Amino acid sequence: RKEVEQDPGPFNVPEGATVAFNCTYSNSASQSFFWYRQDCRKEPKLLMSVYSSGNEDGRFTAQLNRASQYISLLIRDSKLSDSATYLCVVNPSGGSYIPTFGRGTSLIVHP
Amino acid sequence: GAGVSQSPSNKVTEKGKDVELRCDPISGHTALYWYRQSLGQGLEFLIYFQGNSAPDKSGLPSDRFSAERTGGSVSTLTIQRTQQEDSAVYLCASSFIPLETQYFGPGTRLLVL
Repeated sequence: RKEVEQDPGPFNVPEGATVAFNCTYSNSASQSFFWYRQDCRKEPKLLMSVYSSGNEDGRFTAQLNRASQYISLLIRDSKLSDSATYLCVVNPSGGSYIPTFGRGTSLIVHP
Repeated sequence: GAGVSQSPSNKVTEKGKDVELRCDPISGHTALYWYRQSLGQGLEFLIYFQGNSAPDKSGLPSDRFSAERTGGSVSTLTIQRTQQEDSAVYLCASSFIPLETQYFGPGTRLLVL
């Protein structure tokens, strides 16, 4: 099992739709989690951190399920500008400082 | 303030040549990471610097790759005797402390002919 797995997609949705992505991780001791967004031919940028209690930022909601070892990202009322690749990042425990990036989920929002 | 900068933005080289890539992290950021991203692929960790500690080189794919970070700031990644499979985007990221939000530079697109 890969350390961090994401469905590569693409998820093709109309404007206004609600879409959700999951990211599973294999190390149950993982400490912290993030979602990054990467536009085509651009560098990744932080979208949001994922807190144990779940967190929301406008149309975006991130949740952590430690029991099942996955994090999720929910996007409501999708905009054309949400089209991008969404990378999950899982930080280790036990003295390692090397985060693991998922390969990303591609989202295409169409008119 | 200024973000992470990288130079050159694009580099085309011939197989067998050496290349040097530069990263200027955000001032005050102690952690610096180098990654490689091939077309349509995820980020591949290469090397990690933290303050004055010895770097974690566990991700370097071969001994042709090396990196240094001078004065806890600017970092250079050197690829010797480049091969075509080295063609990729090389991304640098810095964070205030390890494992916190990483700020990425725009990357260097390397093409080895």
